[in-house]
Amino acid sequence: KQEVTQIPAALSVPEGENLVLNCSFTDSAIYNLQWFRQDPGKGLTSLLLIQSSQREQTSGRLNASLDKSSGRSTLYIAASQPGDSATYLCAVQAGANNLFFGTGTRLTVIP
Amino acid sequence: GAVVSQHPSWVICKSGTSVKIECRSLDFQATTMFWYRQFPKQSLMLMATSNEGSKATYEQGVEKDKFLINHASLTLSTLTVTSAHPEDSSFYICSAAGQLLNYGYTFGSGTRLTVV
Repeated sequence: KQEVTQIPAALSVPEGENLVLNCSFTDSAIYNLQWFRQDPGKGLTSLLLIQSSQREQTSGRLNASLDKSSGRSTLYIAASQPGDSATYLCAVQAGANNLFFGTGTRLTVIP
Repeated sequence: GAVVSQHPSWVICKSGTSVKIECRSLDFQATTMFWYRQFPKQSLMLMATSNEGSKATYEQGVEKDKFLINHASLTLSTLTVTSAHPEDSSFYICSAAGQLLNYGYTFGSGTRLTVV
């Protein structure tokens, strides 16, 4: 069974710093990988979707990479802002109807 | 982009009553919808997968008679928590997948259920 792990579980950084969130998965047979953001008490907002054939995707200050063979993905956030504070979840789609979530990284950006 | 609307965003009900949560795909047809449950500071736990026009597939440990799922159209799935108890209090989130595998998943805004 696919297992998805995220490290660190929590991260605090001062405003303006660049940071990297890590996601690893055990089975490289995936369709795609998504990074989501979740604010407290809210649903999930999709940030980036990387297809299995792609190596990275960029959106604004966010860049996500995918190394399928090693089972790893990173989410890079440039010039962090207090508004980036949230929980970040990665999820891999391993089949037509199978989405496996990581444990999440709770990010706090300190003004 | 794809939008999934979930209602209500929060609900408080008395123990023993039933609560219905709706999940709608607003601008695409969702052949498959998923229902998740999330406890505080934990990740999402898949409860069931529903396909339009057929019975839902429940994950191990999820009581199908307690969590009734109906996916009657390509744009609407409902989750009914029957005879709710305080331990059912949780955050419920739905998601929808379109007809093409590689579009990823879109999530609703979640429903906070509190059973008193």
